[in-house]
Amino acid sequence: AQSVTQPDIHITVSEGASLELRCNYSYGATPYLFWYVQSPGQGLQLLLKYFSGDTLVQGIKGFEAEFKRSQSSFNLRKPSVHWSDAAEYFCAVGGAGGYNKLIFGAGTRLAVHP
Amino acid sequence: DGGITQSPKYLFRKEGQNVTLSCEQNLNHDAMYWYRQDPGQGLRLIYYSQIVNDFQKGDIAEGYSVSREKKESFPLTVTSAQKNPTAFYLCASSIDSDNEQFFGPGTRLTVL
Repeated sequence: AQSVTQPDIHITVSEGASLELRCNYSYGATPYLFWYVQSPGQGLQLLLKYFSGDTLVQGIKGFEAEFKRSQSSFNLRKPSVHWSDAAEYFCAVGGAGGYNKLIFGAGTRLAVHP
Repeated sequence: DGGITQSPKYLFRKEGQNVTLSCEQNLNHDAMYWYRQDPGQGLRLIYYSQIVNDFQKGDIAEGYSVSREKKESFPLTVTSAQKNPTAFYLCASSIDSDNEQFFGPGTRLTVL
């Protein structure tokens, strides 16, 4: 069955520290992978996506993610976190065509200490 | 400005009443989606529509209904058959089902 696991429900980091949010997926075919961010009470915004090619993908707001097929992972990273990065982050896997029938992880809530 | 609007932002209803959530987009997108979000869970797909006058059930369609009479509108009705309707509902749209989904700001429904 297709699924996405985000092992960390909550993460707290200090402003300026590095960040890594974990995502593991289970998918029978070539996965199309996404990271979204959601501020409280708001809709989702796409941070970055992986369809094919270079396994290190760059996104908006200074985020990047690395696709590791052998580990079925697509972890999100940022070298230096800003207070405005506090939000909830969702990893998702898509089916044929990429965006069709997205399956979302449960999310990781990020808190940033000044 | 182009975008997706959902109204109202907060909605309260009594148990046993049907309620309709609005979703409108002026992006000229063909595909539209409804998701439900519960605390500690990711988004779950309720219904989606790839073109006007056509829609398909998602993973949790029971107790919900939709219509797609116009390209820009995809209203969701939460019926009294939905056992646990209190949740945050998100609408999204995309040029087609093979392209990026853009999300609206959401409607928080509370059933009292």
